[in-house]
Amino acid sequence: SYELTQSPSVSVSPGQTASITCSGDKLGDRYTCWYQQKPGQSPVVVIYQDAKRPSGIPERFSGSNSGNTATLTISGTQAVDEADYYCQAWDNNTAIFGGGTKLTVL
Amino acid sequence: EVRLVESGGGLVKPGGSLRLSCAASGFTFINYNMNWVRQAPGKGLEWVSTITSSGRYIYYADSVRGRFSISRDKAKNSLYLQMSSLRVEDTAVYYCTRQDITGLSWGQGTLVIVSS
Repeated sequence: SYELTQSPSVSVSPGQTASITCSGDKLGDRYTCWYQQKPGQSPVVVIYQDAKRPSGIPERFSGSNSGNTATLTISGTQAVDEADYYCQAWDNNTAIFGGGTKLTVL
Repeated sequence: EVRLVESGGGLVKPGGSLRLSCAASGFTFINYNMNWVRQAPGKGLEWVSTITSSGRYIYYADSVRGRFSISRDKAKNSLYLQMSSLRVEDTAVYYCTRQDITGLSWGQGTLVIVSS
C-alpha cells in the first residue's frame, strides 16, 4: 500500500522560514494537499493541488511537489502557525495521509 | 458556506454498534464524493471510507472493511456510517469530509469511544 512519510516535528523561530516535507514513491506524479490542525480543531486545507492556496489562507503558505517529495513552506512564520500539518494524496480511491508534523514556533 | 455537522458518537462496548450521521448544507450534496476520516486520541488522520457522488461506488480502509458501511441520502443531504463489531482501536473522532479538487472540507467531528 502507498505510504507518505513526514518528520514528526519541526521547530522554527518567529519570522523565519519553516519547511515541512512529505515523501512517497513518485509523489510528484500525484497531487498533494496540506492540512493544518490546531489543538481541539478540525483540519483545514492550506495547500491543494501541490501549490494552490484556498481563499483566506495567507500568502506566506506555499507548496511544491517534485520527484518523491512534496514540501510545505511557511515564510515569515508566526506564532499562530504553530500546529500539526498533514500531507495527503490519493491512491486507488484511497486517501493517504502522512503521519503529521508538529510545527513549533519558538 | 460548506457546513458539515456530525452526530451519533458516544460510548459503546466492544462488539457493539453505532450509527454516525453527517448533515450537509451550503453546497449541492449530490455533486460531491463524501468521506469519513478518523483520528484516534493523540494520533494522526486515518481515512475510513469514501462514497461517490452517485453512491454507486464505495471504498473502505482494510481496517474497517466488513464491519463498517457508508451510505448517503440525497433527499436528506446526509451521509452515514454504520459501525458494527466495534473494537477498542476504533476509538477516535470521526470526521465527515467533502471531497473536491480543493481538498477535503471537514466537519467538527464526533467522538466514538469503544470501551468496556
